[in-house]
Amino acid sequence: EPEVTQTPSHQVTQMGQEVILRCVPISNHLYFYWYRQILGQKVEFLVSFYNNEISEKSEIFDDQFSVERPDGSNFTLKIRSTKLEDSAMYFCASSPVGGTGYNEQFFGPGTRLTVL
Amino acid sequence: RKEVEQDPGPFNVPEGATVAFNCTYSNSASQSFFWYRQDCRKEPKLLMSVYSSGNEDGRFTAQLNRASQYISLLIRDSKLSDSATYLCVVKYQGGKLIFGQGTELSVKP
Repeated sequence: EPEVTQTPSHQVTQMGQEVILRCVPISNHLYFYWYRQILGQKVEFLVSFYNNEISEKSEIFDDQFSVERPDGSNFTLKIRSTKLEDSAMYFCASSPVGGTGYNEQFFGPGTRLTVL
Repeated sequence: RKEVEQDPGPFNVPEGATVAFNCTYSNSASQSFFWYRQDCRKEPKLLMSVYSSGNEDGRFTAQLNRASQYISLLIRDSKLSDSATYLCVVKYQGGKLIFGQGTELSVKP
């Protein structure tokens, strides 16, 4: 069964450093998302991406964040200058269809980011 | 008011029990509704979609009341393997998912 993959599974970085979190969505999917979950808190939407551009972003997704689909398979989230409060689990998700219907978003296993 | 609000939990129940989770959402323009399951430190996984007519999948029954902006999940004959956090999820226009805080379920032998 196809699945979303993410690397690395755990990333430890120093405050102020740049990190890139990588995702490989399911191959025929067209809509891509990043969510994050701070330990003990709810899953929060960060950004959606379709047709090589951001469709929507949340207030969390400020100028320190960027997303890219550098080739036909990878989808990346970059944090330019990490802060302590960026420590969280970051989940990538993809779906074949976007919009408001009952189409499932498939989640990757997540990357745990720890900022020291 | 929180966009998606759930029972705080945790729910501790014996095997075989019936347990019900409730959820309310604030945005009347919400389009689609789901229950996801999340095991400790793992990704959310879709449990079931929730339709206005109500729907059932084995031991699981979901209900939606759009007028009251209320969603429920009923689990019958609880199994040890049902122990997890259950997430009430609402999809907005544009496709983003809004998650509730989650309700932790622990099924004991």
